[in-house]
Amino acid sequence: QSALTQPASVSGSPGQSITISCTGTRSDVGGYNYVSWYQQHPGKAPKLMIYEVSNRPSGVSNRFSGSKSGNTASLTISGLQAEDEADYYCSSFTSTYSYVFGTGTKVTVL
Amino acid sequence: QVQLVQSGAEVKKPGASVKVSCKASGYTFTSYHMHWLRQAPGQGLEWMGIIFSSGTKTRYAQNFQGRVTMTSDTSTRTVYMELSSLSSEDTAMYYCAREYDATYRFDYWGQGTLVTVSS
Repeated sequence: QSALTQPASVSGSPGQSITISCTGTRSDVGGYNYVSWYQQHPGKAPKLMIYEVSNRPSGVSNRFSGSKSGNTASLTISGLQAEDEADYYCSSFTSTYSYVFGTGTKVTVL
Repeated sequence: QVQLVQSGAEVKKPGASVKVSCKASGYTFTSYHMHWLRQAPGQGLEWMGIIFSSGTKTRYAQNFQGRVTMTSDTSTRTVYMELSSLSSEDTAMYYCAREYDATYRFDYWGQGTLVTVSS
């Protein structure tokens, strides 16, 4: 199972919006609405930010939103804040009952 | 509050095995599946497998078939991941993460266990 494709880095100024893409295949992203997004700060465990494409867990800011079109899912962070600077990973359930992760995107707040 | 507390860092020689534990608290242990994932230094996340809430059924990623064993002890609310035939490529941070039945998301994670394989 090949890793999902994400841009290596995305940057934005405070207050701006950024979008991170996550491209897979019909066997993962395109075939299921079980796409999740995780935020990881350096030296920390990942944190669930979005599940089932567009749902936010309790306690996650509504500045984070998710969507999907075909084989590509997206995470949008609006009103960018310094604390959003981190690595972000998408993940999808797959047709072989496994999970595949994205290559990861480093978000930098300028 | 939900907590997943993993065992401490390990240093192993090539060819050896390692067993990492993950002790759960703050929720009904038998209602959640547990996954194991790993992250090599500077790299992305890799799913290793799942032990279902029953504690008896497992499913492993193809990359680890034959080399990984996941077990569960309901009495101590602890799950274990044992990886054998270690090589330097297995040097990574290993995480446990829970999943509520058929929700396909990892909502709580352990703090991670660093396994270093070096001769």
